[in-house]
Amino acid sequence: TQLLEQSPQFLSIQEGENLTVYCNSSSVFSSLQWYRQEPGEGPVLLVTVVTGGEVKKLKRLTFQFGDARKDSSLHITAAQPGDTGLYLCAGASSSGNTPLVFGKGTRLSVIA
Amino acid sequence: KAGVTQTPRYLIKTRGQQVTLSCSPISGHRSVSWYQQTPGQGLQFLFEYFSETQRNKGNFPGRFSGRQFSNSRSEMNVSTLELGDSALYLCASSLASGGASYEQYFGPGTRLTVT
Repeated sequence: TQLLEQSPQFLSIQEGENLTVYCNSSSVFSSLQWYRQEPGEGPVLLVTVVTGGEVKKLKRLTFQFGDARKDSSLHITAAQPGDTGLYLCAGASSSGNTPLVFGKGTRLSVIA
Repeated sequence: KAGVTQTPRYLIKTRGQQVTLSCSPISGHRSVSWYQQTPGQGLQFLFEYFSETQRNKGNFPGRFSGRQFSNSRSEMNVSTLELGDSALYLCASSLASGGASYEQYFGPGTRLTVT
């Protein structure tokens, strides 16, 4: 069974600080996605990374896929209150035709 | 392009009752997946339908069932509700089923409370 472990589970920081959240597995994934979920809403897809070592930037957010395609990180620079939410990573199996595997998420709170 | 819609958004039911939730995917998306989200367990996969066929099923009891119609709309049904079924039920649609480009687009969810 493929598992994705996210750390930390909870993070509370001041506005303007930087942070990194991690998504780790012992399994190889064909791609990895990051979602953000706000209270009372469904997760919103932020980015998909496909190639080992790939780095993608979305404004202040930087996503990296590990070289071996087993892990990923999300770095936020100068966090803002609008970044508050639950960040979920999800892996697509390299075997195909199987459900996405979701981590349990990192709950981020950015205090003004 | 309209997003994924789910109805109803909120539902309160009593133990033993049954409930049907509805999901309309993004136009052109043929895959619909259902998830249960609770604070303790996170996002748990229920099942996925693609072109009216169930492709995958998660580890949930038979009280949880679903179906997909020819227009890709999907419904899920929970019979004999238990208190532990209280959760946010999320529907997600995607163009493909599986593979590297397996990106899912979620609806806002249905918040089910069982009393």
